[in-house]
Formats: sequence, C-alpha cells, structure tokens
Amino acid sequence: AQTVTQSQPEMSVQEAETVTLSCTYDTSESDYYLFWYKQPPSRQMILVIRQEAYKQQNATENRFSVNFQKAAKSFSLKISDSQLGDAAMYFCAYRRVIQGAQKLVFGQGTRLTINP
Amino acid sequence: NAGVMQNPRHLVRRRGQEARLRCSPMKGHSHVYWYRQLPEEGLKFMVYLQKENIIDESGMPKERFSAEFPKEGPSILRIQQVVRGDSAAYFCASSQTGSTDTQYFGPGTRLTVL
Repeated sequence: AQTVTQSQPEMSVQEAETVTLSCTYDTSESDYYLFWYKQPPSRQMILVIRQEAYKQQNATENRFSVNFQKAAKSFSLKISDSQLGDAAMYFCAYRRVIQGAQKLVFGQGTRLTINP
Repeated sequence: NAGVMQNPRHLVRRRGQEARLRCSPMKGHSHVYWYRQLPEEGLKFMVYLQKENIIDESGMPKERFSAEFPKEGPSILRIQQVVRGDSAAYFCASSQTGSTDTQYFGPGTRLTVL
C-alpha cells in the first residue's frame, strides 16, 4: 500500500521569505499523481498544486513550486515571498492512476506559521 | 459554478443516534469521495462512489457506516448508532471523471458525539 510521510509537524517563516515543506512517499508504481493541499483555519481543503509523475518538469503555480525527485520519492513544496494568508496546515497527497482506485492518500500534515 | 456543497456544517448527536451527512458534488461531476479527518490528523479515505454505484469502500468501517449516491439527489454518508470515536470532520470531494481529474473538496461536516 502507498504511504505518504511529512516529517515536519510544524514550520515557521518570516513574512516575505521562502519556506520549503518536505514530503516523501512510498510506492512501487511508475505513474501516479502528487498533490499539495492547504487547509486554513476555515478547514476548507484547497488544492495548491498538482504533479503528474510522468512529467519531469516541476509544477509551478505563482509563488508555489515543487521539487519532484522521482527516484528519491520526494515531493517538496516551496513557497516564495510568504504571505500572512499562507498560514495553514499543508497536506501532501498521493493518488494512483488506475481506474477505480483514485483515492487520495494523505500525509499527516505540516502546520505553517507566518511571522509578520 | 457552485463548489462542492455539504450539509450540515455542524452536527451534534448523542451516543446511539444516527448521523446523516449530505454532499452535493460540483455541477457536472459524477464521482464522489468521502474522507474522515480525526483531530490533529490527516484525511483518511472512506469510500468512492459514482452514480448508483460504490466503486471502492476499502476505507469504510465494516459496521454502522454506509454510503450512497442515488441517481437523483446528493450523496449520503450514514452513521448508525454513533459513538464518541466517530467525532471528526467528514469531507466530501468530487471529480468530473475518475482517472485523471483533480478532486475538489467541500467545506466538511464536523460531527460531535456527546
């Protein structure tokens, strides 16, 4: 079974600086999807970024980018120019591509604090 | 486009009562997923449904929990004879197709069992 591990329960960063959140996963499959979701205090799960494993190019969305290292099974999230609104729980998630098996497997989460 | 809708947002039940949680997917989405989040934990998959079919229920507890997604109307997650350990946030997500689409989440239902 696939597993996702986030080894940093909490992280903090100064406003306007850059922070990197770590995520590793375990799978024997060669094709899959990886995601980062953000959960602010409202508890709404918001998609931040998505990466297809067959794509070598790292995904980017404005201030958010990933460092996808397939051989190392690592998928870190970099947040540039951190803003107060980035404060939230961040969850890394894995999903298979096999039809009928699309459940998301989540890590334990990293609580990100932004210091003004 | 309205997002994924869940109701109620908060639900309080006494031990032994039944809880019914509703989820209306985004317009045009026919795939629904239910996840449970215990306090200070990540989300755990429960069940995946398409219209009138359960596709994957590998995360559902064997007893007291059931889910449906009828041809008309919202998806329902039903918990019978609730216990304190059922207290959690229950999230519904939907996708347009199954294999490649992103899952979009609703705001969740927070269930408290007294």
